[in-house]
Amino acid sequence: GNSVTQMEGPVTLSEEAFLTINCTYTATGYPSLFWYVQYPGEGLQLLLKATKADDKGSNKGFEATYRKETTSFHLEKGSVQVSDSAVYFCALTPASGGSYIPTFGRGTSLIVHP
Amino acid sequence: DAGVIQSPRHEVTEMGQEVTLRCKPISGHNSLFWYRQTMMRGLELLIYFNNNVPIDDSGMPEDRFSAKMPNASFSTLKIQPSEPRDSAVYFCASSSSGRADQTQYFGPGTRLLVL
Repeated sequence: GNSVTQMEGPVTLSEEAFLTINCTYTATGYPSLFWYVQYPGEGLQLLLKATKADDKGSNKGFEATYRKETTSFHLEKGSVQVSDSAVYFCALTPASGGSYIPTFGRGTSLIVHP
Repeated sequence: DAGVIQSPRHEVTEMGQEVTLRCKPISGHNSLFWYRQTMMRGLELLIYFNNNVPIDDSGMPEDRFSAKMPNASFSTLKIQPSEPRDSAVYFCASSSSGRADQTQYFGPGTRLLVL
């Protein structure tokens, strides 16, 4: 079946540090890949997505590149802010099968200190 | 657009009571998902509806849980009887179906505490 593996958290950084959150997946074909963010007390919201190999999704300074050869979709940001403190979820939706039920990773908590 | 609407936002009940959670998806979306989030198990898919029809309910933990979608703008998740281990945050999400690249839009969640 499909699966998504994220690095364990929490990730603790100082403001303006570089961020990487690793995500690898298992799926057949070319799934669509997503990063969602969950701020405290809220539901998940889309951060960025990529739908085919070598696509780069970007939003709010965050980026992730769809790497088919390594089945990865790592999230990066060059300079984090305190306001980026949240839980980040990597997810995929299968390309075939008809049901398009997403698979989510366990989430990675990011804590950014001033 | 108002987004996905869930009610109540918080629910505190006693073991054995019936609990009903409500969801209004985004207008025009025809896929609806119910999730449960806990520290122990993370985000779990409970049930998925497409065009108001339950497609996959394999994540529903047991017969105490039931979900309905009587029309395109309303869904309920019912727990009867409730137990302390049901305490969690329950999310409803909706999306346009038919393509793998569709974003899921989550509601703010219902925080359930069963005493």
